[in-house]
Amino acid sequence: GAGVSQSPSNKVTEKGKDVELRCDPISGHTALYWYRQSLGQGLEFLIYFQGNSAPDKSGLPSDRFSAERTGGSVSTLTIQRTQQEDSAVYLCASSLRARVDSPLHFGNGTRLTVT
Amino acid sequence: AQTVTQSQPEMSVQEAETVTLSCTYDTSESDYYLFWYKQPPSRQMILVIRQEAYKQQNATENRFSVNFQKAAKSFSLKISDSQLGDAAMYFCAYRSANYGGSQGNLIFGKGTKLSVKP
Repeated sequence: GAGVSQSPSNKVTEKGKDVELRCDPISGHTALYWYRQSLGQGLEFLIYFQGNSAPDKSGLPSDRFSAERTGGSVSTLTIQRTQQEDSAVYLCASSLRARVDSPLHFGNGTRLTVT
Repeated sequence: AQTVTQSQPEMSVQEAETVTLSCTYDTSESDYYLFWYKQPPSRQMILVIRQEAYKQQNATENRFSVNFQKAAKSFSLKISDSQLGDAAMYFCAYRSANYGGSQGNLIFGKGTKLSVKP
């Protein structure tokens, strides 16, 4: 079947505007993760959804960042009032279940550029 | 808090030769998983190999193998018979085996860029 799908692939926005990034996980995967990859850095955990449980938002860098997952499937990461430091690649991943031995499958990411 | 360190920002290897990428980590936990991910220019993270901390035997996947030294908190990746398609960023990652809390959280190193020379 299809892998994790993210859209858009690239997004350029002006400072101060809001953006929405979309992630469509692999069908049947109950766990969904968002990571941010800044230039020259590793991946920074943002947020994690598991089924109907409350999401783990411990990685969100500020209250300008929020995410939701509708119907246990598609997720949207929203960044309000974007800043230049928000420029990065945003990667989404899903796994069959939130077990530590369940591998993460990543999408190709959205490259966000804030001008 | 757990940390993952990759001390080699860039590495280069001749095609068909062997290269080893280093990774060290810091944790107070005894039960965890370690991973190596490959990220080609397509940006998609691809799982290369994983190691359960409770297993003493080093994991192997075809041309990829690890040297897991639990006491030293070291987890290096060896790529044998390097191929041009191996050129990519390689990330070492740690995942706690403790259920509850941020159990889904993978902690990544900053990566090593591997170049393969023909």
